[in-house]
Amino acid sequence: DQQVKQNSPSLSVQEGRISILNCDYTNSMFDYFLWYKKYPAEGPTFLISISSIKDKNEDGRFTVFLNKSAKHLSLHIVPSQPGDSAVYFCAAKGGRDDKIIFGKGTRLHILP
Amino acid sequence: DTGVSQDPRHKITKRGQNVTFRCDPISEHNRLYWYRQTLGQGPEFLTYFQNEAQLEKSRLLSDRFSAERPKGSFSTLEIQRTEQGDSAMYLCASSEGQPPNYGYTFGSGTRLTVV
Repeated sequence: DQQVKQNSPSLSVQEGRISILNCDYTNSMFDYFLWYKKYPAEGPTFLISISSIKDKNEDGRFTVFLNKSAKHLSLHIVPSQPGDSAVYFCAAKGGRDDKIIFGKGTRLHILP
Repeated sequence: DTGVSQDPRHKITKRGQNVTFRCDPISEHNRLYWYRQTLGQGPEFLTYFQNEAQLEKSRLLSDRFSAERPKGSFSTLEIQRTEQGDSAMYLCASSEGQPPNYGYTFGSGTRLTVV
């Protein structure tokens, strides 16, 4: 059972434009959401997170939006740069449960 | 501190053999996690330790898998009687358990290929 769903396996965006990666979740006990970025042959690295009590968190070019009623979050990258080409994982953590649950990932290609 | 180290980076083994992977976490992190990632999937939780205590095991962790963290430092993950379905990237992460990332720092992983 996929508690964190990323329905787009891949996304291609022109350099300089906005990249929007989407994520849905099913578990209403999740109270913390995270995005990780992964390059080939490396482990995932933390990008940005948001608590369930907020609806937006911004860090430089990266903004995460949370819509709790829709159980949906999105990551916006603007402007997109070539180095942003990677696999992006949406992840969530629930209450006192200490582990993080990951989605399947979306591969982002930034086109020149 | 060089982050989370995993050894080996790659392992090719014959079906039926036993393999053992090692993870050295960030020294001040008391929590250590093992995840498995297969092609087209995200990291899937296997087990985690707080210090030397193994606090949770996923149903993905069959009886052929065992993990230890003696003295709350490094950890080992052993797979006995490997099967082709065990082929995957095995990721280790360590954590202090605090936001915003809950301190998750991943290693580069051990890629296991069972032939």
